[in-house]
Amino acid sequence: DQQVKQNSPSLSVQEGRISILNCDYTNSMFDYFLWYKKYPAEGPTFLISISSIKDKNEDGRFTVFLNKSAKHLSLHIVPSQPGDSAVYFCAASVNSGNTPLVFGKGTRLSVIA
Amino acid sequence: KAGVTQTPRYLIKTRGQQVTLSCSPISGHRSVSWYQQTPGQGLQFLFEYFSETQRNKGNFPGRFSGRQFSNSRSEMNVSTLELGDSALYLCASSRTRTYQEKLFFGSGTQLSVL
Repeated sequence: DQQVKQNSPSLSVQEGRISILNCDYTNSMFDYFLWYKKYPAEGPTFLISISSIKDKNEDGRFTVFLNKSAKHLSLHIVPSQPGDSAVYFCAASVNSGNTPLVFGKGTRLSVIA
Repeated sequence: KAGVTQTPRYLIKTRGQQVTLSCSPISGHRSVSWYQQTPGQGLQFLFEYFSETQRNKGNFPGRFSGRQFSNSRSEMNVSTLELGDSALYLCASSRTRTYQEKLFFGSGTQLSVL
């Protein structure tokens, strides 16, 4: 049973446009969400996070939106750049102090120049 | 500050063999987690160690085991390798087990089982 779902395996966007990556979750206990970015032959690196007490968090070109009622979050990248081409993983956690991060399967973003 | 170091980077084994992967966390980090990444499956949690104790274990068979040493370095072992064990094995470290603390990942060990 997959608790964190990224239903789009891949996404192509033109340079300069907005990239929107989506993530759905099923466990209502999740209260902290993170996005990681992964380049080939490298480990994932932390990108941005959001707590369930917020509905938006912004960091430069990256904004994460959280819709708790829909159990949905999205990552917006504006403007998209070729260097943003990578696999993006959505992850979620529970404030129980004893549960690991649960990751989605990832979405491969290709930004075309 | 050096990042998370995983060795070896690549490994080729045959079915039935066993393998040991190593992870050196960032200095000062006491929590080490291991994840398996296979094509189309995302990152699946294997286990987490903190202060030499296994704190959490994912849904993997007993052939997968690990340990953590007093210097926080960690190893994971897979015995009786199967073709399906071919994957990228990622190690991640963090200072504590605070749930909002982000993980720092190594570059992984790519294991191929023939």
